[in-house]
Amino acid sequence: TQLLEQSPQFLSIQEGENLTVYCNSSSVFSSLQWYRQEPGEGPVLLVTVVTGGEVKKLKRLTFQFGDARKDSSLHITAAQTGDTGLYLCAGPPPGANNLFFGTGTRLTVIP
Amino acid sequence: DAGITQSPRHKVTETGTPVTLRCHQTENHRYMYWYRQDPGHGLRLIHYSYGVKDTDKGEVSDGYSVSRSKTEDFLLTLESATSSQTSVYFCAISERAGLSYEQYFGPGTRLTVT
Repeated sequence: TQLLEQSPQFLSIQEGENLTVYCNSSSVFSSLQWYRQEPGEGPVLLVTVVTGGEVKKLKRLTFQFGDARKDSSLHITAAQTGDTGLYLCAGPPPGANNLFFGTGTRLTVIP
Repeated sequence: DAGITQSPRHKVTETGTPVTLRCHQTENHRYMYWYRQDPGHGLRLIHYSYGVKDTDKGEVSDGYSVSRSKTEDFLLTLESATSSQTSVYFCAISERAGLSYEQYFGPGTRLTVT
């Protein structure tokens, strides 16, 4: 059983479409991060959400932390081919000193 | 970009041989981590360090050891490589500001054990 479940696992959409990917847990997290990883590279941090209900925007990307701090979503508006990649959510398990990563959503944006 | 390098970037080795991967940082961050990434499993923590000579086990530590003799270097050793250790290995660093645990990753090492 994964501590952080991400859905969908794979997503293929046309350029210009909107999409939302999800990160869910049965545990409460003090914070959650979202990373994007491109082929052959390490993950790159996009955002950290800390407060329940928090919404953060990064250009066309909108991140939301659930009120109960058990889930998060990433919404992309008008997807571009440059958004293609593996999107990972991660958070520190309760009482732990490290991050736990979800298995990711692999997004492909088709021109 | 965070100053993190990993060496080697690619390695092919035979079952039973020892292998050491190196992570080097220029950021003077306290925390360093080793992960492996495999299809269907995402990133899984192998070991981490919270200071010079201070290390702890992660989720998948069996068959791996680490050492940190200097702030900037974190070594991962496979004592006797097995085919199940074929993977992509990532090093990460973190300064642990407040409640956030943001980590910054190196470019990865692709290890193949034949």
